[in-house]
Amino acid sequence: SQQGEEDPQALSIQEGENATMNCSYKTSINNLQWYRQNSGRGLVHLILIRSNEREKHSGRLRVTLDTSKKSSSLLITASRAADTASYFCATLGSNDYKLSFGAGTTVTVRA
Amino acid sequence: DGGITQSPKYLFRKEGQNVTLSCEQNLNHDAMYWYRQDPGQGLRLIYYSQIVNDFQKGDIAEGYSVSREKKESFPLTVTSAQKNPTAFYLCASSTRIFSNQPQHFGDGTRLSIL
Repeated sequence: SQQGEEDPQALSIQEGENATMNCSYKTSINNLQWYRQNSGRGLVHLILIRSNEREKHSGRLRVTLDTSKKSSSLLITASRAADTASYFCATLGSNDYKLSFGAGTTVTVRA
Repeated sequence: DGGITQSPKYLFRKEGQNVTLSCEQNLNHDAMYWYRQDPGQGLRLIYYSQIVNDFQKGDIAEGYSVSREKKESFPLTVTSAQKNPTAFYLCASSTRIFSNQPQHFGDGTRLSIL
């Protein structure tokens, strides 16, 4: 079952700009994960944030989690052409303990 | 290098034919998963395995079968009962099933109907 929904569906930015994408979900979660997928490849794990955490950083990535609004955001700062990919949020439910993926945000970074 | 290897990269299925997708991992992970990805959609869980000789149906198991005879291997068979098999299939593994550990993915197999 698909729980997470990313917004926007697609995003086009200039190299050097920041990219922000959001994920909303419906039921209570244990953790929320962000993955990146380059065209025709598998998913690569970026960041995992637990339900009792509010913010995490990893390099140029910043993830926030607001459990009261059931939403998360992923910020990529100073984007590069290599950041062009699809980004997926995945939620681990507190009750069913399965990982549910959203449909993803496709990010294009223009040189 | 540790990782997950999926083969083949491309696979074509004829009407009424069963096909098997291979997934091998050398990460020493206990848990393994199969997902299906259709264009514009998120990943949907087909089957998962917590440990050798044990596996469970996911959300869309009909028309698929799996086995887990070895820790390293989790092959997926797409049977003739799966009427719409065209999709990108992804195998993943993690240290423990559905935990606070991330899943590691292979590079997928793209299955098409001839």
